[in-house]
Formats: sequence, structure tokens, C-alpha cells
Amino acid sequence: GDSVTQMEGPVTLSEEAFLTINCTYTATGYPSLFWYVQYPGEGLQLLLKATKADDKGSNKGFEATYRKETTSFHLEKGSVQVSDSAVYFCALSDPGDMGYSTLTFGKGTMLLVSP
Amino acid sequence: EAQVTQNPRYLITVTGKKLTVTCSQNMNHEYMSWYRQDPGLGLRQIYYSMNVEVTDKGDVPEGYKVSRKEKRNFPLILESPSPNQTSLYFCASSFGPGLGNTIYFGEGSWLTVV
Repeated sequence: GDSVTQMEGPVTLSEEAFLTINCTYTATGYPSLFWYVQYPGEGLQLLLKATKADDKGSNKGFEATYRKETTSFHLEKGSVQVSDSAVYFCALSDPGDMGYSTLTFGKGTMLLVSP
Repeated sequence: EAQVTQNPRYLITVTGKKLTVTCSQNMNHEYMSWYRQDPGLGLRQIYYSMNVEVTDKGDVPEGYKVSRKEKRNFPLILESPSPNQTSLYFCASSFGPGLGNTIYFGEGSWLTVV
């Protein structure tokens, strides 16, 4: 079955540092890939997505590139802010998941950014 | 505004007392799902529904029931809650099959069973 593996946290950074959160996946089909963010006390928000190899998803300064050859979708940001402190989830959906309509999640990575 | 609305947002209940968490979406989505989120485990799917009167088990369905009598609503029912069902629950919805399909989530329902 499908699975998503992401680096364990917490990831602790100072403001303006560079961020990388690693994510790799296994899938039976050709998946779409997502990053979701969960701010403290809130629900899940879609941060960015990519639907085919070499696509780059981007939003709010975050980027991730769909790398089919390495089955990876690492999240990056050049300069983090305190307000980026949250839990980040990598996820995929593939044709077998009700036609891309449900998600397989990683376990989440907590990011803590200090001033 | 596109929304997935869950209620209650916070609930403390006792073992064995039946409860229902409601979920409603205003986007005319066909597909709806329930997930639970637990520390160190991420989100796991409980049940899903492909359309009215069509439901199926996800990865962790034990102890839960669902129904889909109307397109917009997908309640999660705990007939006899137990402490291991203490968790954060998310309802989700999407239009249906499609590459890059965006899945929308509710704000979550914190449930504690004592």
C-alpha cells in the first residue's frame, strides 16, 4: 500500500534560517503530492501541491518539487518566520484512493521558530 | 465561502455514552471522509463515502459508524466510546475523482473519552 515518510521533529530554527523538511513516499499508482500545515489549535490547511513529476508547488514562500526518480517531495523555505511555527504534513493521493479523493499522510513534523 | 463545518469542536464524554460528531460541507462535494489524528501517527482514515448511501471502511474503522443520507452531511457516530478513541477528528470533502483534486478539511473536533 501507499505510505509517506517524513523527518521526525521537532525542527527548531531561528528566524530567517533556511528550512528543509524531508518527505519520501511509496505509491502503487502515479500519486499527487501535498503539503498541509496545521497551526496551533487549528485544522489542516493545504499549503501546496504537485500533480506530476518535476512540478514545483509553491505558496507563502514555501516550495516543494515532485521528484519521481527519488520518490521525494521535500518542503523548503528560504527564510522562516516565527509565524511559520506549526506542524507540517506530507501527504499523497493516487488513482486507487477513490480516484485521488483520499489522502495518505505522513506522521507530521513540528517546526518551532524562535525570534 | 467554501467550508467544511464540524460540531462539536470540543467534547469531553464518558465511556459508553453514545455521541455523534456532525460534518457538513457547502461545496456540493460527492466525496467525504473522516480521519483521526494521534501523536506520532499522523492522520488515519476512519471511513469514507463516495456518494449518498455509499460508505466504506478506511484504515481504522473499529468502534465507529457513519451515515450519508444527504450529500452535504456525513456524521461520525461513536456508539460506545472508549478512552482509546480520545483523539482529534477531521472531516474532509472533495468533488470526486480527478488528478490534483483538492481535499478540504474541517477545523477538527477534539474528543476526550474518560
